[in-house]
Amino acid sequence: GNSVTQMEGPVTLSEEAFLTINCTYTATGYPSLFWYVQYPGEGLQLLLKATKADDKGSNKGFEATYRKETTSFHLEKGSVQVSDSAVYFCALKRNSNYQLIWGAGTKLIIKP
Amino acid sequence: NAGVTQTPKFQVLKTGQSMTLQCAQDMNHEYMSWYRQDPGMGLRLIHYSVGAGITDQGEVPNGYNVSRSTTEDFPLRLLSAAPSQTSVYFCASSSRVGDSPLHFGNGTRLTVT
Repeated sequence: GNSVTQMEGPVTLSEEAFLTINCTYTATGYPSLFWYVQYPGEGLQLLLKATKADDKGSNKGFEATYRKETTSFHLEKGSVQVSDSAVYFCALKRNSNYQLIWGAGTKLIIKP
Repeated sequence: NAGVTQTPKFQVLKTGQSMTLQCAQDMNHEYMSWYRQDPGMGLRLIHYSVGAGITDQGEVPNGYNVSRSTTEDFPLRLLSAAPSQTSVYFCASSSRVGDSPLHFGNGTRLTVT
């Protein structure tokens, strides 16, 4: 079946550190892949997406590349800020279906 | 542009009470859904709808009812509240397009005592 696995958190980094949050997936066909972010006390919002192999999604300094050969969609940022502290969710969506399959979320804590 | 609007933002219920969480979207999205988010549990799908008059169960439907009489509205009803339903509830919608993302409301924090 379809599934998404994220690295467990919390992930704690110092400001300006390099960030990687791992996400791997299992799916049939060619799903679309998403990263959502949830800031404290808020709903989830789309951070970036990629719809086919080798696509790179990017937004707010974050990037993720759709790697079909490794079934991965790792989130990266070169220099994190305190304001990046949030919970990050990886998700996939089969294009024939409305449903999203969610990872468990990774809490990111950035210390000044 | 309002997007997805949820009301109320906070609610406290006593065990056995009933209530309706409201959700409305103004993007003409076909798909609407309700999730609950518990600490350490991520998001769990309660019910969803792919259009007016069509609803279906998600992963954790027990204790909840939904209806979809219009494209815009998708209320979630708690029939007889239980402490296990203490959670944060999110409504989300999306269009039919394959890679279209979910748009979330800001959530309703429900406490059942």
